[in-house]
Amino acid sequence: DGGITQSPKYLFRKEGQNVTLSCEQNLNHDAMYWYRQDPGQGLRLIYYSQIVNDFQKGDIAEGYSVSREKKESFPLTVTSAQKNPTAFYLCASAGTSGGYNEQFFGPGTRLTVL
Amino acid sequence: DAKTTQPNSMESNEEEPVHLPCNHSTISGTDYIHWYRQLPSQGPEYVIHGLTSNVNNRMASLAIAEDRKSSTLILHRATLRDAAVYYCILRDLVDMRFGAGTRLTVKP
Repeated sequence: DGGITQSPKYLFRKEGQNVTLSCEQNLNHDAMYWYRQDPGQGLRLIYYSQIVNDFQKGDIAEGYSVSREKKESFPLTVTSAQKNPTAFYLCASAGTSGGYNEQFFGPGTRLTVL
Repeated sequence: DAKTTQPNSMESNEEEPVHLPCNHSTISGTDYIHWYRQLPSQGPEYVIHGLTSNVNNRMASLAIAEDRKSSTLILHRATLRDAAVYYCILRDLVDMRFGAGTRLTVKP
C-alpha cells in the first residue's frame, strides 16, 4: 500500500523548543516537498529536495531546516528561530521535479506552540 | 513568478455540472496547469493536469484556452463529496505555488 505518512498528526510544543516532523514515502519518488498552511490560506513552500543529499529553500525557509539522507525520508525541523510556527504542515512527493508530475500529499501534521 | 486567479467561492447543486475558472495570464511555455482539491484538515488531492490540450480523467475534465491564459476545471456531475477547496496551480520544473483557491459548496 504505497503512500506518504506524516507523524504525528497533532504536535504541541513549548515556545523556544525545536521540534522535528516526520515524512516518509514508499512511492520510490525522487522529489519531496514541505509546505506550510495557515488558516484560510493556500500552501506555501518551505523546502524541497529533488534528490538524496540535496535540498533547496522555498519561499519561507527561515526558521526551518531539513535533511535528505534517504530517498524515503525528508524530516522537517521547526527551530526556535521560527517566529510563528503554529500551522498545518504538509509533506508531498513526486516522481521527479518535472512539471508533468503530480504531487502526492501526506495527511499533514498540525503543530501548536503553547 | 507565474500566478493564478480564482474566485473565492462558488456554489453548485448536486447532480449538476460545475465549471471552476482560473486565470493565469503570465503563464510560461513550460508551465503545466495542475488542479488539486483539499478537504478540511487533509492534504490536497490531485485532480488533473495539462499543458496545452484539453484533458479528461475519471474525476474531471480540464479545458485549456488556446492562448493558455485561462483554464476551466469541469466536474460533470457534482456530488456532496466534491465540496472542497479547489486550487489551480502552475507547476514548473521545481515546485508549485498555491493561491487561496475556490471554495466549492454543493447543495443537495
